[in-house]
Amino acid sequence: DARVTQTPRHKVTEMGQEVTMRCQPILGHNTVFWYRQTMMQGLELLAYFRNRAPLDDSGMPKDRFSAEMPDATLATLKIQPSEPRDSAVYFCASGNWNTEAFFGQGTRLTVV
Amino acid sequence: AQSVTQLGSHVSVSEGALVLLRCNYSSSVPPYLFWYVQYPNQGLQLLLKYTTGATLVKGINGFEAEFKKSETSFHLTKPSAHMSDAAEYFCAVTRMDSSYKLIFGSGTRLLVRP
Repeated sequence: DARVTQTPRHKVTEMGQEVTMRCQPILGHNTVFWYRQTMMQGLELLAYFRNRAPLDDSGMPKDRFSAEMPDATLATLKIQPSEPRDSAVYFCASGNWNTEAFFGQGTRLTVV
Repeated sequence: AQSVTQLGSHVSVSEGALVLLRCNYSSSVPPYLFWYVQYPNQGLQLLLKYTTGATLVKGINGFEAEFKKSETSFHLTKPSAHMSDAAEYFCAVTRMDSSYKLIFGSGTRLLVRP
């Protein structure tokens, strides 16, 4: 059963530390999304990739966030330095255009 | 630019009652539309989708939605609510072209009273 895998599921870190979240998209999907979910803002699109190339990262704070796809089986979202306001659940999703996106279980990040 | 508006952050119904969750979209080109459901501490799961063809779309768990272009709406319904339907529901839109930027509404939390 194909699924999107995200690691870690939970992360607690101190303010100022670097955080890296990983995502393994479903094999054969050419689009990968990163979303952030908070109570206040809901689901925000941070960035998305097509065939590993970034198409839009306008939703991402550029000074501290970065997203990459080193290869077709791995997408990463990095925060450096982390701040308490970054505490949220981060979701990765993958799909092909004109089909639905499949979501991972998310990474719950707490920055203290 | 695309956008989605979900009316009502919380909807409460009695078990067995009709469920109606509202979604209106804005898109400059023909849209693809989706409803997703999220249970606590889980990711989002697809309930149903509209791409082309029939405007009344049936999904899992007895849900359905109707695409109404004239009203720019894609409301989600279920004739009879079950306790297990309690969750958060998200409407999403993307363009019917290869840009495929999937934008979500703010979500509606469905509460089901016994």
